[in-house]
Amino acid sequence: DAGITQSPRHKVTETGTPVTLRCHQTENHRYMYWYRQDPGHGLRLIHYSYGVKDTDKGEVSDGYSVSRSKTEDFLLTLESATSSQTSVYFCAISESGVITEAFFGQGTRLTVV
Amino acid sequence: GEDVEQSLFLSVREGDSSVINCTYTDSSSTYLYWYKQEPGAGLQLLTYIFSNMDMKQDQRLTVLLNKKDKHLSLRIADTQTGDSAIYFCAESRDQTGANNLFFGTGTRLTVIP
Repeated sequence: DAGITQSPRHKVTETGTPVTLRCHQTENHRYMYWYRQDPGHGLRLIHYSYGVKDTDKGEVSDGYSVSRSKTEDFLLTLESATSSQTSVYFCAISESGVITEAFFGQGTRLTVV
Repeated sequence: GEDVEQSLFLSVREGDSSVINCTYTDSSSTYLYWYKQEPGAGLQLLTYIFSNMDMKQDQRLTVLLNKKDKHLSLRIADTQTGDSAIYFCAESRDQTGANNLFFGTGTRLTVIP
C-alpha cells in the first residue's frame, strides 16, 4: 500500500491513559494526514502535516496532538484517551498534496474501555 | 464541506449493475471522488469527476453528476463478488490538499453470488 505502515493495527486501552499511534512512510512524501472513521460519519480529518515540524489542525482535532520530527514518521497522540475516541484511525500520505495522489494506510482500530 | 450523505447499505446479485448514490450540500464543491474500502484495507481512489462534467466512464465504472441537484452516483456494471466493499464519496473545492477533502458516510455494497 504505497509504503505506508500504521502501528499498532489494533489496540485496546483504558480511559485516561495516553496512547500514541504511528504512521510510517517509505515514500519520502511531504504531506501526511490523520483521519478517524466512525459509523455514520465517514472519514474526518484530525491533523495533517505539510513538512517536518509543520502541522495543522483538521475538523476534529480536540483531544489529539501530533508530531513530525522526521519526514517518514507522523505520530498521533491521545494524551488522555476517552471512550469517544474509540474509532478506526487512518493515515494518508501525499507527495504534493494533490488529493488524487493521496494514499491511505490500512488503519488502526483503537478501543478505549 | 461538508454534509455528504449516502445510503448505508446496498445488496445486488452478481452480474447485475450496482448504483451507489451520494448527495452533497456544498455548491462550491469542484471535485467529487469515489473511494473503495475493502475489509482490513485503506481507502483506494476509484475515480473522480470535475464539476463541469456530467459523466465519466472508466471500464465498468460510470460516474454521473447532477450539479443542479448536488447528486452524484457511481454505477458498477456486471458487479462481481470482488466489488463487495464500502464505497465513499467525497468532495473538495480544489485538489490542493487532502485536508480539504470531505467524505460521505459510506455505502456497504454486498454482492450476492
